Amino acid sequence: EADIYQTPRYLVIGTGKKITLECSQTMGHDKMYWYQQDPGMELHLIHYSYGVNSTEKGDLSSESTVSRIRTEHFPLTLESARPSHTSQYLCASSNPRQATYEQYFGPGTRLTVT
Amino acid sequence: AQSVSQHNHHVILSEAASLELGCNYSYGGTVNLFWYVQYPGQHLQLLLKYFSGDPLVKGIKGFEAEFIKSKFSFNLRKPSVQWSDTAEYFCAVNARSGGYNKLIFGAGTRLAVHP
Repeated sequence: EADIYQTPRYLVIGTGKKITLECSQTMGHDKMYWYQQDPGMELHLIHYSYGVNSTEKGDLSSESTVSRIRTEHFPLTLESARPSHTSQYLCASSNPRQATYEQYFGPGTRLTVT
Repeated sequence: AQSVSQHNHHVILSEAASLELGCNYSYGGTVNLFWYVQYPGQHLQLLLKYFSGDPLVKGIKGFEAEFIKSKFSFNLRKPSVQWSDTAEYFCAVNARSGGYNKLIFGAGTRLAVHP
């Protein structure tokens, strides 16, 4: 079944550690996105990609980086985690040939930096 | 700047009550509008969408929404809620900015339905 996966679902980590949040999709979508969401707040776009070797920064400034070496994989990396990075991170994908622009979301990674 | 405003952050209803969640957006261009729902512990999933045509859109699980262009609104409705509708609901608008299409989300409305 086509889907979008994120691992880990929950992560508690100490300040200064390097972390990578994984996102994979089996829908063959070219476009992928990372959002950051704090409780009771909007989803904010932090990164997106049009396809392989394409990465762009979103609306919300983030110290994280992303890569897109394969169509199905869009990992997000924090080189040195800080408590201010504590948040939920949602990965999404969309089919640019689908004119309705809807996005499909993964289950999210809830990150806590102590 | 484009934005989406959801009027209620928390709504508490009894089963069988009617539901209306407000959503207003600010964007002057052609819009595609969405309602997403997130059930406890699950993915955000699409509830319904407006792309063009009939402004009254029907989605899954008995939900519907009406696009009123003159009011920049896309309110979500359900005539009779069930306990299983307990979830967080997000309104979103697709907007074109800086050469790319993006979804702009509201802050969400958390709905609790009591038996």
